[in-house]
Amino acid sequence: DQQVKQNSPSLSVQEGRISILNCDYTNSMFDYFLWYKKYPAEGPTFLISISSIKDKNEDGRFTVFLNKSAKHLSLHIVPSQPGDSAVYFCAALKAGDYKLSFGAGTTVTVRA
Amino acid sequence: DAEITQSPRHKITETGRQVTLACHQTWNHNNMFWYRQDLGHGLRLIHYSYGVQDTNKGEVSDGYSVSRSNTEDLPLTLESAASSQTSVYFCASSESTRGHEQYFGPGTRLTVT
Repeated sequence: DQQVKQNSPSLSVQEGRISILNCDYTNSMFDYFLWYKKYPAEGPTFLISISSIKDKNEDGRFTVFLNKSAKHLSLHIVPSQPGDSAVYFCAALKAGDYKLSFGAGTTVTVRA
Repeated sequence: DAEITQSPRHKITETGRQVTLACHQTWNHNNMFWYRQDLGHGLRLIHYSYGVQDTNKGEVSDGYSVSRSNTEDLPLTLESAASSQTSVYFCASSESTRGHEQYFGPGTRLTVT
């Protein structure tokens, strides 16, 4: 049973606008959350993360929001650029563990 | 620069053959992982290791095995390849002290005919 869910398989956004990617989780033992970005024919690369003690983390154009009560997190990309076109994976980690649980991914396409 | 490499990058094999996919990292990370990526499933954990001589099963370990004889390498073996094992395989590693960020290899595309 998938414990991390990305219910939107794809997202299309115009260049310069905001991209919002959503992720839900079911396991309350998760205490650290990460977003990975993946281009075709490459391995995923780490993008941004957030600890469960925070509700927001920002890094340049990327911001991750965490709502623990709703077991929901989101990734905001502002402004979206053509190079942001990729698959984005949400992942979660339990305290004291090193194994990541991944969502199915969301394919983002940024239109010129 | 430190890196993580996988070989081969592409492999075609026949049903029933034994196949080994190599993973080598030069970060001196204790933790290493193998995932498979399939459409609609994201990345699913096959096996993982937290140090030399340590191996553990992940969520989709049936038909796969790993061994960890040194820090740098975690080869993945398909004992008797099946068509259901056609997939893209990713190796990753992470530090024990930090743990959260995993660094991924470029992947191996395996086709079982």
